[in-house]
Amino acid sequence: KQEVTQIPAALSVPEGENLVLNCSFTDSAIYNLQWFRQDPGKGLTSLLLIQSSQREQTSGRLNASLDKSSGRSTLYIAASQPGDSATYLCAVNVEQYSGAGSYQLTFGKGTKLSVIP
Amino acid sequence: GAGVSQSPRYKVAKRGQDVALRCDPISGHVSLFWYQQALGQGPEFLTYFQNEAQLDKSGLPSDRFFAERPEGSVSTLKIQRTQQEDSAVYLCASSSGQGIYHEKLFFGSGTQLSVL
Repeated sequence: KQEVTQIPAALSVPEGENLVLNCSFTDSAIYNLQWFRQDPGKGLTSLLLIQSSQREQTSGRLNASLDKSSGRSTLYIAASQPGDSATYLCAVNVEQYSGAGSYQLTFGKGTKLSVIP
Repeated sequence: GAGVSQSPRYKVAKRGQDVALRCDPISGHVSLFWYQQALGQGPEFLTYFQNEAQLDKSGLPSDRFFAERPEGSVSTLKIQRTQQEDSAVYLCASSSGQGIYHEKLFFGSGTQLSVL
């Protein structure tokens, strides 16, 4: 069974700092990996999706990398801002025997980020 | 609609009551997912619909949980004889593409269910 772990569980940084969030997964047979942001009392917002054949994806100040063979992904946030404060979740789409993805995403517990002004 | 809408926003139920949670996906979205998120945990998959067909219900924790999407748009998640362990936020998500790709996935704000 695929398990997703996110470290650290919580992180507090001063505004302007660059930071890295980590995600590891136990089964390297993944179809794609996605990073989400969750604000308190709200649903999830998709940030970046990396296909299994890709090494990284970038969107603005965010960069996500994927090392499928080692079962790791990182989310890099440059020049952090107070508005980045939220919980960041990593989710894996397991590859089926057919080579296609599955209907289920397996999520980690998230990293709660606080950016201090 | 502008986004995925879920109702009610909060639901308090006495143990043993039946509850029904509603999800209005973005208009025209083919795929609809339900997830359960316990406090301090990541979301856990419950079930998936492609239009009106329920293609994966392997995440439903027991036969007390039932989901439907009869006309391929609005979906209802029903929980019978609620138990305290059912207390969680129930999230609905939709996308325009096929469910196996999980691209451009839009989540609602969820229904927070508390079972007393």
